[in-house]
Amino acid sequence: SQKIEQNSEALNIQEGKTATLTCNYTNYSPAYLQWYRQDPGRGPVFLLLIRENEKEKRKERLKVTFDTTLKQSLFHITASQPADSATYLCARSNSGYSTLTFGKGTMLLVSP
Amino acid sequence: GAVVSQHPSWVICKSGTSVKIECRSLDFQATTMFWYRQFPKQSLMLMATSNEGSKATYEQGVEKDKFLINHASLTLSTLTVTSAHPEDSSFYICSARGAGGLDSPLHFGNGTRLTVT
Repeated sequence: SQKIEQNSEALNIQEGKTATLTCNYTNYSPAYLQWYRQDPGRGPVFLLLIRENEKEKRKERLKVTFDTTLKQSLFHITASQPADSATYLCARSNSGYSTLTFGKGTMLLVSP
Repeated sequence: GAVVSQHPSWVICKSGTSVKIECRSLDFQATTMFWYRQFPKQSLMLMATSNEGSKATYEQGVEKDKFLINHASLTLSTLTVTSAHPEDSSFYICSARGAGGLDSPLHFGNGTRLTVT
């Protein structure tokens, strides 16, 4: 089966530092990976999508990488703020026609 | 941007009763909507894919007679949990794909917290 694995332990960092979250996948590379933010009791909100043939994607303070050799995606938030505290979900899809498979998410806590 | 509205945001019901959850796409048409369930500290698990005008496609292990899905229009899908039991208590979230094509991201509702007593 195709799995998405994210670190279940919460990541605690200080405001202003760069947060780096990891997403590992099994089996063959997905066509693309997506990252979502989820706040408690709320639905996920889309952040970034990166395709298999892309190594890096940026959006404001966010950066996502896709390493098909390591079977891994890294999600970075630079100059982190307490408002960035949330759970971040990684999801894979094998094609536009297939459904998304989500990881359990990693909770990020940014302290002032 | 694409907005998905889900109602109710929370519901408490007695064991054996049925509960209906609505999912609406407010500013776009969604031929396909997805229903997920999320238990505490667990990942979103896809329950079924709801297709406008046709039968839903259920994931393995999801009882279609227990979780009734109706997608009667391009902007509304409903999930009815029939004969609910305490083990059905969970966070149910619907989503729809935006208009940007098959690889466009999903837009999620804010979920429905179901508690069965």
